[in-house]
Amino acid sequence: EAQVTQNPRYLITVTGKKLTVTCSQNMNHEYMSWYRQDPGLGLRQIYYSMNVEVTDKGDVPEGYKVSRKEKRNFPLILESPSPNQTSLYFCASHSDRSSYEQYFGPGTRLTVT
Amino acid sequence: AQTVTQSQPEMSVQEAETVTLSCTYDTSESDYYLFWYKQPPSRQMILVIRQEAYKQQNATENRFSVNFQKAAKSFSLKISDSQLGDAAMYFCAYRRWAGGTSYGKLTFGQGTILTVHP
Repeated sequence: EAQVTQNPRYLITVTGKKLTVTCSQNMNHEYMSWYRQDPGLGLRQIYYSMNVEVTDKGDVPEGYKVSRKEKRNFPLILESPSPNQTSLYFCASHSDRSSYEQYFGPGTRLTVT
Repeated sequence: AQTVTQSQPEMSVQEAETVTLSCTYDTSESDYYLFWYKQPPSRQMILVIRQEAYKQQNATENRFSVNFQKAAKSFSLKISDSQLGDAAMYFCAYRRWAGGTSYGKLTFGQGTILTVHP
């Protein structure tokens, strides 16, 4: 089954404690993105990747890091989380520039206290 | 930069009735995609319908149809014969055509919560 998986689905942590949210897709997609969803703001892109070792900032990259060492994986790293990073996070992937279909992961609910 | 605006934070409809969700967008480009996504309480993002800007014909998917007004930069979603399962948050989204540096980035509106009353 074609899918994007994220782990963990729920996470409660404290300010400053480094964490990683994993994302993996099994469709051999080149393009992957991270979005955060906040009430009244919709989803906003954090980072994206066009291929292995190629990443770039989206609209709200501050406080986040990403890496793309393998084509299937695109982890999101919060090295020093703060309460304003409490949000719902989505990973998404698609196959190429012209493909309209984006596959979303199930979301990760992060709370930073 | 592209922006997408959904001016209706909440909408409600009676089961079996029709409801229209509004969306406007701003772009200087001529080629792009527009989408409506559904997010039920499970939080999964589900693609409902898409529209290519070069197509004049409005897209339709079963009970879901759009009214695409390119000149007005308007993209509304009509849900006919509403069902209880249609209750969800609905997001309008924009994506530029292939090429450039956006790499498939979706720009989302703020979302509209749809309630369906039995």
